[in-house]
Amino acid sequence: SQTIHQWPATLVQPVGSPLSLECTVEGTSNPNLYWYRQAAGRGLQLLFYSVGIGQISSEVPQNLSASRPQDRQFILSSKKLLLSDSGFYLCAWTMNTEAFFGQGTRLTVV
Amino acid sequence: GQQVMQIPQYQHVQEGEDFTTYCNSSTTLSNIQWYKQRPGGHPVFLIQLVKSGEVKKQKRLTFQFGEAKKNSSLHITATQTTDVGTYFCARETTDSWGKLQFGAGTQVVVTP
Repeated sequence: SQTIHQWPATLVQPVGSPLSLECTVEGTSNPNLYWYRQAAGRGLQLLFYSVGIGQISSEVPQNLSASRPQDRQFILSSKKLLLSDSGFYLCAWTMNTEAFFGQGTRLTVV
Repeated sequence: GQQVMQIPQYQHVQEGEDFTTYCNSSTTLSNIQWYKQRPGGHPVFLIQLVKSGEVKKQKRLTFQFGEAKKNSSLHITATQTTDVGTYFCARETTDSWGKLQFGAGTQVVVTP
């Protein structure tokens, strides 16, 4: 069966520090992969979308970047975090349009 | 744009009562999906509707897709405390990427 792993679960980082969040999918090949961000009590904002290795669509201009170095690995990065980067980051993959989410990373920038 | 609008944003419900949340689009949808996110958790897929006028039921939850495929609703009967959470609808964009775009969600609070 397919599973999605996302880590870490929580993260507290100082302003100006770098960020790397990793997401891996098991049990499927060539998945469509997503990074979403959710502010407290808000909806899901699509950040990045990937249909294959090296193919990344950026949805919102911001302080973040994404990479897909392997078929089932999706990485969210930042060189210098801002306070506004705080939020709940969710990785997801889709199969037949149904989305499966990771457990999420709760990032607090201080 | 290709966003879907959800109303209401918040819903306070007395346990045992019914409520409905709505999802509206200005453009025709190829399909609509519904997800539930429990407090502190991640969204979990509930259902997908594809056909015009389609109605699907999951126990106390009834999902409906409008005839024009521009709106959808989720109706919950006899609300229970386990229904607490945020309910999202989501659409697939019509560009070549076919990205999944979520509505802002309806946050449901149930009072005993």
